Amino acid sequence: QKEVEQNSGPLSVPEGAIASLNCTYSDRGSQSFFWYRQYSGKSPELIMSIYSNGDKEDGRFTAQLNKASQYVSLLIRDSQPSDSATYLCAVKGGSYIPTFGRGTSLIVHP
Amino acid sequence: DAGVIQSPRHEVTEMGQEVTLRCKPISGHNSLFWYRQTMMRGLELLIYFNNNVPIDDSGMPEDRFSAKMPNASFSTLKIQPSEPRDSAVYFCASSLGENQPQHFGDGTRLSIL
Repeated sequence: QKEVEQNSGPLSVPEGAIASLNCTYSDRGSQSFFWYRQYSGKSPELIMSIYSNGDKEDGRFTAQLNKASQYVSLLIRDSQPSDSATYLCAVKGGSYIPTFGRGTSLIVHP
Repeated sequence: DAGVIQSPRHEVTEMGQEVTLRCKPISGHNSLFWYRQTMMRGLELLIYFNNNVPIDDSGMPEDRFSAKMPNASFSTLKIQPSEPRDSAVYFCASSLGENQPQHFGDGTRLSIL
């Protein structure tokens, strides 16, 4: 059974700090990796996709993928209170159906 | 560009009633997914359609749940009869291809009294 693991948190960081969110997965054949942000009472919103080993940067967000170690992470630089949300990691292994983690709750306090 | 459109946004009904949730995927997307989200169980995949054909319905809880996709721009999820334990947020999502991300609708918040 394919598994995606995330620490449920909450992860609490001060405003302006770097928030680091981690995700591990069990399927070595996984090919596509996604990070979603979900505000309370809202739907998941795609913020990053990554397909190759290494780093991918988009504004204040950096996704990091290490297939050998089977982990993917999301760094949020200069964290803002508006970044407070649950972050979901999703992994696809060469099929149309992703496996989602349970999410990590992030709290950015002023 | 229009995203995934779901209706209704909220539904409150009594136990035993039929509930129908609707979804319009993003135009051109060939895959459609129905999810249920609760605090206890997180995000659960109920059913997945590819090119309007149901491919994986192993997540459908029981025979009370059914889903259809009569064409590329419309899908329904029906619960009959509804029970209080069906109360949850139901999301529809669509994607363009095998390794492409899913895009979610705003969800339907369902409460069964």
